[in-house]
Amino acid sequence: DAKTTQPNSMESNEEEPVHLPCNHSTISGTDYIHWYRQLPSQGPEYVIHGLTSNVNNRMASLAIAEDRKSSTLILHRATLRDAAVYYCIPPRTSGTYKYIFGTGTRLKVLA
Amino acid sequence: EAGVVQSPRYKIIEKKQPVAFWCNPISGHNTLYWYRQNLGQGPELLIRYENEEAVDDSQLPKDRFSAERLKGVDSTLKIQPAELGDSAVYLCASSFRLAGGHNEQFFGPGTRLTVL
Repeated sequence: DAKTTQPNSMESNEEEPVHLPCNHSTISGTDYIHWYRQLPSQGPEYVIHGLTSNVNNRMASLAIAEDRKSSTLILHRATLRDAAVYYCIPPRTSGTYKYIFGTGTRLKVLA
Repeated sequence: EAGVVQSPRYKIIEKKQPVAFWCNPISGHNTLYWYRQNLGQGPELLIRYENEEAVDDSQLPKDRFSAERLKGVDSTLKIQPAELGDSAVYLCASSFRLAGGHNEQFFGPGTRLTVL
């Protein structure tokens, strides 16, 4: 299974942009790169996904390296509600539907 | 629209006792997942159903864990007998599977199990 490397924790000030990096250099799949986040005492929730190019949605932006071996989740203006654990999920191996969650990055947002 | 419903939210049992968790997925979702999440770790897949069929149960400890999804809707995950190491949050998720496409998984709030 492909593995990801993410910082254990990061801090950001409220209203400032946050860049959450993820290294998935061992990927072999050609499927999507997903990001999920988990707020305290809740199940994970979908944030964004992408294949090869940068993606934007109402929650965040996703920048994917040209070789697909790393990606960066961008929160343009962090709020206190964005404090969560963010999981980068590498592309699934073809023929499977298995998400591999690592330990994620715990984001702390300072008021 | 109601999300994924799980019950109970919390369960405390003595070791060697049985325990069961229930999940009601989002209406129309044909794929259902059970995950286990240990403290400080990401969720790990235990079993995945497509409709009534368990298509991936390779991570399910079959000596003590069992699951069923009758009629392809609700699902139950059972542990018998529970061990101390089973203390964790058990998460249920569902998705509508599109072959080759993006399949967003919707998670329930989880059941926090404590085995004493």
